[in-house]
Amino acid sequence: NAGVTQTPKFQVLKTGQSMTLQCAQDMNHNSMYWYRQDPGMGLRLIYYSASEGTTDKGEVPNGYNVSRLNKREFSLRLESAAPSQTSVYFCASREFGGEETQYFGPGTRLLVL
Amino acid sequence: QKEVEQNSGPLSVPEGAIASLNCTYSDRGSQSFFWYRQYSGKSPELIMSIYSNGDKEDGRFTAQLNKASQYVSLLIRDSQPSDSATYLCAVRRGGADGLTFGKGTHLIIQP
Repeated sequence: NAGVTQTPKFQVLKTGQSMTLQCAQDMNHNSMYWYRQDPGMGLRLIYYSASEGTTDKGEVPNGYNVSRLNKREFSLRLESAAPSQTSVYFCASREFGGEETQYFGPGTRLLVL
Repeated sequence: QKEVEQNSGPLSVPEGAIASLNCTYSDRGSQSFFWYRQYSGKSPELIMSIYSNGDKEDGRFTAQLNKASQYVSLLIRDSQPSDSATYLCAVRRGGADGLTFGKGTHLIIQP
């Protein structure tokens, strides 16, 4: 039981490049979330998916797109990376309607030059 | 704008003493309240959750909630050096909504 996994662990991009951050969970959770964390800041919600087939914007969605590929997987795409998107990205999952605990993945460190 | 406010610290506490962490929130519609611990370079880990006014105890940790004052706190008794970390307060309205986090309080337990 791996919990929430994220790939890659670390990535360097040039401004304007695109990339997709991958997230998968093996806990059969309905809801999945993407957050970003900047130095000295708490986590901020980018997008979330309450259940398979649905996605909703969070606090800071600009510059990102998401895909809920199936119940297990929720990806975050940067179409044209900007230095302001340098951050640590965390994926999380939770059983909607059940246990309140949100389980976090190990994070992806992204540096945009 | 939903906001969660925490004192960024650092908060320095002697080993064996009680550490007291505080948090206020602006959204009166918040229903669920959480404390996460985050070690440097790691992901957040849930320490406590609380949903109704009053105290909730789990081992050395006690969470306190006062919805009228929009105030949440975390007490850590018999503080250990391993408790040194950043503590994040988070709130949620309900349903499948994501969490709104504070910026965190950096806690240092001095041996």
